[in-house]
Amino acid sequence: DQQVKQNSPSLSVQEGRISILNCDYTNSMFDYFLWYKKYPAEGPTFLISISSIKDKNEDGRFTVFLNKSAKHLSLHIVPSQPGDSAVYFCAAKGTDSSYKLIFGSGTRLLVRP
Amino acid sequence: NAGVTQTPKFQVLKTGQSMTLQCAQDMNHEYMSWYRQDPGMGLRLIHYSVGAGITDQGEVPNGYNVSRSTTEDFPLRLLSAAPSQTSVYFCASSYSTGWEYSPLHFGNGTRLTVT
Repeated sequence: DQQVKQNSPSLSVQEGRISILNCDYTNSMFDYFLWYKKYPAEGPTFLISISSIKDKNEDGRFTVFLNKSAKHLSLHIVPSQPGDSAVYFCAAKGTDSSYKLIFGSGTRLLVRP
Repeated sequence: NAGVTQTPKFQVLKTGQSMTLQCAQDMNHEYMSWYRQDPGMGLRLIHYSVGAGITDQGEVPNGYNVSRSTTEDFPLRLLSAAPSQTSVYFCASSYSTGWEYSPLHFGNGTRLTVT
């Protein structure tokens, strides 16, 4: 039973356009969300995060939106660059288990030049 | 900066063999954890530690043991390897579990194949 779901295994976008990666969660106790980026043969690296008290967090080309009522968050990358091609993982932390980060299954993003 | 170092990078085991995956960090992080990555399953937490001498189970702990005798090291032991343990294993650490201030830092992984 996956508490964090990334229903799109892959996404392909043109360079310069917007990439939108989606994540859904089921646990209403989640209060902090993170996005990680992973290149082949490397470990995931932290990208951006958002607290449940906010609905938007922006860092340069990356913006994360949180819709608590829908239990949905999304990562927007604008403009997309070929170097953004990677696997993106959504992760969540709950107030009932702050020592555990629960990850989704990942979305592979391909940015076409 | 070495960060989180995992050894070996690759390993092939026969069913029933045991081995230890090594993980070391040089950032004086209190929190360390092990994840496995499988296709379609994402990253699943195996075990974690909030400090030397303290360990606890994650989502998928069966078949694995851990210990934390020092702040720097967090080895993962496979007691009797099974083909279901074929996976990529990641060790990760963080200064604390205040994820808002200290996101997880990951090693580059160990690819394990059990035949």
